[in-house]
Amino acid sequence: DGGITQSPKYLFRKEGQNVTLSCEQNLNHDAMYWYRQDPGQGLRLIYYSQIVNDFQKGDIAEGYSVSREKKESFPLTVTSAQKNPTAFYLCATQGTGDYEQYFGPGTRLTVT
Amino acid sequence: GQNIDQPTEMTATEGAIVQINCTYQTSGFNGLFWYQQHAGEAPTFLSYNVLDGLEEKGRFSSFLSRSKGYSYLLLKELQMKDSASYLCAVLNAGNNRKLIWGLGTSLAVNP
Repeated sequence: DGGITQSPKYLFRKEGQNVTLSCEQNLNHDAMYWYRQDPGQGLRLIYYSQIVNDFQKGDIAEGYSVSREKKESFPLTVTSAQKNPTAFYLCATQGTGDYEQYFGPGTRLTVT
Repeated sequence: GQNIDQPTEMTATEGAIVQINCTYQTSGFNGLFWYQQHAGEAPTFLSYNVLDGLEEKGRFSSFLSRSKGYSYLLLKELQMKDSASYLCAVLNAGNNRKLIWGLGTSLAVNP
């Protein structure tokens, strides 16, 4: 089955804890993206990676970190430095030569 | 600055036609996208316009005017399942393929 998987769908954490969100794809896409979505707000880009072992900060990278050690995987760590981590997190991929981005099902993170 | 504007909410009746507008001001332009997002789910791709004109795909059509910085998404024969948020996004030229997203238009289709 080709696609993008994000796990878990719902995640609960206590304030002050780091948490890592998973994003895996078997579409053989080079580019991968992490977005955050809050109620009433558009998608905001956290980090993106055009190729393995390379990634760039997006518009709201503070308090987040990523790695891209494999083409298939682009995990996002939400650190305790992120002041408002509760949100819906979406991972997306894009193939070389493609214009559209394809989204995973998302992870809803709640921090209390 | 970079800005994308679309109405926050719209309502329409089942079986009718609705047009969702999007205006944009960006420093570059390499195409405009429309995505559909149902509540609690991921966005799904609907259309991509890079040249002026109308692109038709079944019940959905998308129009672009680059000189006016304007696009619309036209939904015909509305169904209840079309109740969703519709996101307009612009691909900024030479910007590492990053998308600039509008806030989305929440469409409610009533029986």
